[in-house]
Formats: sequence, C-alpha cells, structure tokens
Amino acid sequence: QKEVEQDPGPLSVPEGAIVSLNCTYSNSAFQYFMWYRQYSRKGPELLMYTYSSGNKEDGRFTAQVDKSSKYISLFIRDSQPSDSATYLCAMRLGSSNTGKLIFGQGTTLQVKP
Amino acid sequence: NAGVTQTPKFRVLKTGQSMTLLCAQDMNHEYMYWYRQDPGMGLRLIHYSVGEGTTAKGEVPDGYNVSRLKKQNFLLGLESAAPSQTSVYFCASSYPGLAGVASNTDTQYFGPGTRLTVL
Repeated sequence: QKEVEQDPGPLSVPEGAIVSLNCTYSNSAFQYFMWYRQYSRKGPELLMYTYSSGNKEDGRFTAQVDKSSKYISLFIRDSQPSDSATYLCAMRLGSSNTGKLIFGQGTTLQVKP
Repeated sequence: NAGVTQTPKFRVLKTGQSMTLLCAQDMNHEYMYWYRQDPGMGLRLIHYSVGEGTTAKGEVPDGYNVSRLKKQNFLLGLESAAPSQTSVYFCASSYPGLAGVASNTDTQYFGPGTRLTVL
C-alpha cells in the first residue's frame, strides 16, 4: 500500500462546477499538507499549503485536512477551463529535517467550456 | 530571479550512454531534490541534498548518481542509461522552515523538467 493514495482520474467537469480532489494517507506523523498544480509539460507549482488539521481558503480554492480520518481535500469553486491541469497532493513529516515530500499519483482535471 | 532552471530540456540517449542533468537555483535554498515522473506513478524521489557537499538516496536511486559541489547546483548523472530510465526528470529546491508553521518559503519549488528518452 502506498503511503499516499490519490485517484488518478481523469476527472472531467463542465465550467462552473465545484470540483473535489482527495487524498488519503497512512502515516499519522504527516503534519504538513500541500497541493501542487501541474500544467501539461510544466513543472509542479505550489497551490495551497496547510499545517495540521483544518481549512484554508484562497480565492476559489479551499484545502481541508482531516487528520483523524487521514484524509485531505482540495475544493475548486466555479471551475474554469484554465483550472485544467494535474493536481498533486503532497505531505511532509512534522519532524523532518530534510524537507522531503511524499506525493500522491496526481489527479488529471479537465474543465470543459 | 530565474528560480529553478534545468539543462537540457530534452535529450535522447542510446542504451549504455551516459549523461549529466544540471539543476541550478538562485534562491539560496539549502535543500535540493531530483525526482522522476512516470505516468500513473506520481513524483518519485531519486536523490536529495540538505546542503553543499552532502547527498542522500531517495526512493529510487539505482542507476543514478548525484553531486552538490556548489550550493546553487545539483547534478544528476546516468552512468549507463537504460530504457527504464526514460522519464521526465524534475529538480526542486527548498529552504528549511520553522517547526509548526506552514509557509510558502519552506516548500519545494520545481524546475521546468527534462524529458529523457533512452532507446
């Protein structure tokens, strides 16, 4: 079993839809949780970054962390065609002195006009 | 600032050939990483470095070597390329963060990638 599981999709939605992307993990020592967005043939770029449990909102994007269930989510409201990309969740141990991240497999999202 | 740059962008090798991928960052980051990305596999860590002159193995280090002679550069070497090393390679860098604080300054910043094909 992988430490971090993410449904690879692909996920196709109409413009304006609410999108929910999810990851589950097995290591309860993860404390830092990130979402990266990767456009086709580009490097990943940081989208959202949270520490421990709770919600964080940034514009149309909301990141949720539920440590009791070992489950994180990224919600995209009013999705746009420009949101079409692969979304990767990533996690880091609280005690890490290397900065190493564990990534999910990535979910490919297509938002159709 | 250029951020993280990678050289070359594309490369085709024959089995058994060698090559070096160069990663450079201008953000004064302590930590640097090399990943490979394959369909359905996500990003897998090959090697990483927590400072100039130090390197360590990641999840999939076999067939690769690295060197960090200067803080801003991290080199990935393939001594004898194999078709299984056909992949997209990403370099990333980050800065040590403060415990208990999530800050964009301590997360990883990625380069644009190198597409390598081994025939």
